Amino acid sequence: EVQLVESGGGLAQPGRSLRLSCAASGFIFGDYAMHWVRQAPGKGLEWVSGITWNSGSIGYADSVKGRFTISRDNAKNSLYLQMNTLRVEDTAFYFCAKLGGTSPNTDYWGQGILVTVSS
Amino acid sequence: DIQMTQSPSSLSAPVGDRVSITCRASQGIRSDLGWYQQKPGKAPKRLIYAASSLQSGVPSRFSGSGSGTEFTLTISSLQPEDFATYYCLQHNTYPWTFGPGTKVEIK
Repeated sequence: EVQLVESGGGLAQPGRSLRLSCAASGFIFGDYAMHWVRQAPGKGLEWVSGITWNSGSIGYADSVKGRFTISRDNAKNSLYLQMNTLRVEDTAFYFCAKLGGTSPNTDYWGQGILVTVSS
Repeated sequence: DIQMTQSPSSLSAPVGDRVSITCRASQGIRSDLGWYQQKPGKAPKRLIYAASSLQSGVPSRFSGSGSGTEFTLTISSLQPEDFATYYCLQHNTYPWTFGPGTKVEIK
């Protein structure tokens, strides 16, 4: 069974940092691109960042570019999101996701973790 | 960056109706588009990949069409379990972008 479990969320003050982790199991993590998607309470989905299987290609939404850094450790089956210089508007549920893209393979999503940025 | 728009932003329809949702890209994205369904408190679920291919396990009343800049998700006969919010996602170019969503409600 595929599982994606996020951790590291919580409350942070504006300007501070948080690091999200995603522990993957049930599939060969090192074979797949992975993504972070967020959703502010009551709002739509926003793709945040993605990383290919070998970290060779990385992308960021304009809203987080220069502040957030995605990384992965295939030996530990883990995905990370380092979030620096947090803003109030970064408040959202953050989902770790294995998105299918062009592949017919099923998407998998974590349960999401809440990040609240507030003074 | 590629911007995605969706219309309508919401719709209200009775069970059994045929409904369509349109997604437009600000530039051509070939068929690099998926459609997602999200119910409250749940993670999104992909319904359609490559613009028109049905994800395994998804009912055949869902279909997708289009390529380039204009795409459509159609539900041929709306069922009670289909009331949800629907999003398109372009994955042609980083940054990937979701459409703003279409909320489908019961009439």
